[in-house]
Amino acid sequence: QINLKESGPTLVKPTQTLTLTCTFSGFSFTTSGVTVAWVRQPPGKALEWLALLYWDDDRHYNPSLEARLTITKDTAKRQVVLTMTNMDPVDTARYFCAYRPPGGGNAFHVWGQGTVVTVSS
Amino acid sequence: SYVLTQSPSVSVAPGQTATITCGGNNIGGKAVHWYQQKSGQAPVLVILYDNERPSGIPDRFSGSNSGNTATLTITRVEVGDEADYYCQVWDGRGNHPVFGGGTPLTVL
Repeated sequence: QINLKESGPTLVKPTQTLTLTCTFSGFSFTTSGVTVAWVRQPPGKALEWLALLYWDDDRHYNPSLEARLTITKDTAKRQVVLTMTNMDPVDTARYFCAYRPPGGGNAFHVWGQGTVVTVSS
Repeated sequence: SYVLTQSPSVSVAPGQTATITCGGNNIGGKAVHWYQQKSGQAPVLVILYDNERPSGIPDRFSGSNSGNTATLTITRVEVGDEADYYCQVWDGRGNHPVFGGGTPLTVL
């Protein structure tokens, strides 16, 4: 069974850097075709894709946020980490990590429960 | 960047059929996936590849995709189907997912 769980601070101050961790189980990042994404959802708003990390370490970022984002993985710890710099109140959102399996099309089959981040001084 | 436009809101009575649309330029040429997101929860994949149901999704959920519109249909709607529904495709040019703006389904 595949599971993902996000963790990180619930409150950050403007201009600070946010670091979120997605801890997963049930799959290996060494398997060809595995992809993990970070997606966020501001209160009352739609889902917004942030970053993708592929099994081969290829990375893609939302162009509108690319300068602020970094996605990495620690295969041994079974974690995917997202950092976002220069946080602003508009970045207040629930942040999800999601799993796209090999051969599963370009759909995210399993999502974490999400973690709520509030940006406020 | 590719844009998906969803119907703003849908309301149906229990037992009726709900239809949620997702518009995009020649979306019929893309694979469309649908997610259900209940209040305060994570999205759940309910349809992939236009009309395939993942394991555990009831056959009341179905999809279609042609031309510029993809459609999610929920028959025999239940109170428990009340949620926001999102369509998603893959932008091949930018190599990233694109989500629609979401459609709230209200079960009266």
